[in-house]
Amino acid sequence: QSVLPQPPSVSAAPGQKVTISCSGARSNIGNNFVSWYQHLPGTAPKLVIYDNDKRASGIPDRFSGSKSGTSATLAITGLQTGDEADYYCGTWDSSLSVGVFGGGTKLTVL
Amino acid sequence: QVQLQESGPGLVKASQTLSLTCAVSDDSINSGLYSWTWIRQPAGKGLEWIGHLYASGTTTYNASLKGRVTMSVDTSKNQFSLKLRSVTAADTAVYFCARGIYGRLGLENYYYMGVWGRGTAVTVSS
Repeated sequence: QSVLPQPPSVSAAPGQKVTISCSGARSNIGNNFVSWYQHLPGTAPKLVIYDNDKRASGIPDRFSGSKSGTSATLAITGLQTGDEADYYCGTWDSSLSVGVFGGGTKLTVL
Repeated sequence: QVQLQESGPGLVKASQTLSLTCAVSDDSINSGLYSWTWIRQPAGKGLEWIGHLYASGTTTYNASLKGRVTMSVDTSKNQFSLKLRSVTAADTAVYFCARGIYGRLGLENYYYMGVWGRGTAVTVSS
């Protein structure tokens, strides 16, 4: 079960900016680092952001991550059609001692 | 480049045991640096963390699976495995294996999956 609410979908035109939010609690996002993943169904998910705001290897600087309190945000600027995918946030929950993920957000580039 | 590949039956009967294996290539599962992780995704839903283990054999499981999970590592074959007992239709999902990194920096834990397999679909039939 996903314990980090995310908007089910977001959309924007090519070249525009989009943000995806991820809400949590003190036990997870509030006290632990956040990561973000890009997933196209049928393929291996790809790490995009780790440690709240660090880009994974090969990820363009159009992708950025931030965290404030118990929420995290993934921002993508200069949208391209190739960015269309499902995006998931993830972190550790210190109270449950488990990894936790968001429910996923489907990005559509119009 | 590190690759992970899941394998196992795509169809399991209810009340039976689901068994999956993740083969690791171009990395040693014995390196001790990583947590070897299982995650699943039911159709139309988000990701669910099942658990992880280290080459030492230390394991952590998601308590929501009520003690039905066992993970193990086979260093001679450079692979790790998942067993989920007493499956029901709710266990129907795409199952992913991943290489995770877990640690602590200051007062916060960092945990992320740097490499994933493509996933294998498992259906539980009645």
